[in-house]
Amino acid sequence: DIVLTQSPGTLSLSPGERATLSCRASQSVGNSYLAWYQQKPGQAPRLLIYGASTRATGIPDRFSGGGSGTDFTLTISRLEPEDFAVYYCQQFGSLPGTFGQGTKVEIK
Amino acid sequence: EVQLLESGGGLAQPGGSLRLSCAASGFPFSTYGMNWVRQAPGKGLEWVSGISGSGGRTYYADSVKGRFTISRDNSKNTLFMQMNSLRAEDAAVYYCAKGKYTSPSDVFDYWGQGTLVTVSS
Repeated sequence: DIVLTQSPGTLSLSPGERATLSCRASQSVGNSYLAWYQQKPGQAPRLLIYGASTRATGIPDRFSGGGSGTDFTLTISRLEPEDFAVYYCQQFGSLPGTFGQGTKVEIK
Repeated sequence: EVQLLESGGGLAQPGGSLRLSCAASGFPFSTYGMNWVRQAPGKGLEWVSGISGSGGRTYYADSVKGRFTISRDNSKNTLFMQMNSLRAEDAAVYYCAKGKYTSPSDVFDYWGQGTLVTVSS
């Protein structure tokens, strides 16, 4: 199974700041089959990014994804109050699809 | 509008069974693979099982293989998960998730609100 390691575990930032989240895979994720999800307390995850860099429907352009191979990033250019949440990366290039352990973005 | 509504969660004893359902609407159900993803309390996400649009192919995480069975009824736009031989470590919120593509390993573009499974004596 491909293991995804997210860093940092927690990111403490203020609204308006830039957030950079990392996701590292234990082996290459083919064809950039990497997605990012946002989850708020008590809610289901929401798809943000797929194919490493393609925003899902309705996702604001302050969210961007990048990377390839084993190293991927999610960047939130300017944090809005509603962006404070937990973010998960997921590889879907091979079975079983696996998730990272999550990065919590909290208000500083 | 895509909607996924899970039901069937609840309390089961270790070794017991539960059957989860997910009623889907707002998209051509039989075209897309469907999945179950779970989240233990305070923990991360774990893919559990997936099924192709036709229902002809099924996939399982090693942690549930031989105990859980995924199925679907395309005439009723409903996804199921039969959970047998439940263990304490199966306790989680179970989400129904729609695959964006039709591949065995997929990205999940829509999720239900989840149903809570508790396993305790």
